[in-house]
Amino acid sequence: DTGVSQNPRHKITKRGQNVTFRCDPISEHNRLYWYRQTLGQGPEFLTYFQNEAQLEKSRLLSDRFSAERPKGSFSTLEIQRTEQGDSAMYLCASSNPPGQVAFDGELFFGEGSRLTVL
Amino acid sequence: AQTVTQSQPEMSVQEAETVTLSCTYDTSESNYYLFWYKQPPSRQMILVIRQEAYKQQNATENRFSVNFQKAAKSFSLKISDSQLGDTAMYFCAFMMGTSGTYKYIFGTGTRLKVLA
Repeated sequence: DTGVSQNPRHKITKRGQNVTFRCDPISEHNRLYWYRQTLGQGPEFLTYFQNEAQLEKSRLLSDRFSAERPKGSFSTLEIQRTEQGDSAMYLCASSNPPGQVAFDGELFFGEGSRLTVL
Repeated sequence: AQTVTQSQPEMSVQEAETVTLSCTYDTSESNYYLFWYKQPPSRQMILVIRQEAYKQQNATENRFSVNFQKAAKSFSLKISDSQLGDTAMYFCAFMMGTSGTYKYIFGTGTRLKVLA
């Protein structure tokens, strides 16, 4: 397993366009998280999944944002009608299932997808 | 709501010296995890060290150690024998382990520069 993979790594789009990011977590991880990080700031929680179920969604996530994780494998984060304020790095992370002996709380991050909205 | 505060936006240290990064958090929970993550320039975030709240002994990982003061809700990171490769953003993070939440809250980060 090569770790958490995110695509595309960089997306430049015009305001008003839709964009979609994909995250492939580590295969045995059933928890998957999306975070947003702006320059010089810490990651802000957006949403997370346990298998295919979306367990929590931040108030930061307006109705223009939607995330899915069909079949509990990869996940997509779609932003509709992008705005300049959406420009950020979108980070995906995954973790071992809580409750298992191997669970130690570590999040494994991808390299992120950087969005630039012109 | 849980919060994590890092009050040092930037720090620098001479190579081979020791530096301590501060972190405080706020929670009413008793069972949680604390982490320090490192984010090198243009690279992905990786775990440096973790601490489970029920463990009184401070965690150590080679040159990295923590000073965990549960009552004071303080979780500082000490880097000994600093190396140029330690230059990075460091984020303190909190994760509550009860109620099935397992949501991670990050601080705003400390930019550490190791000087040759």
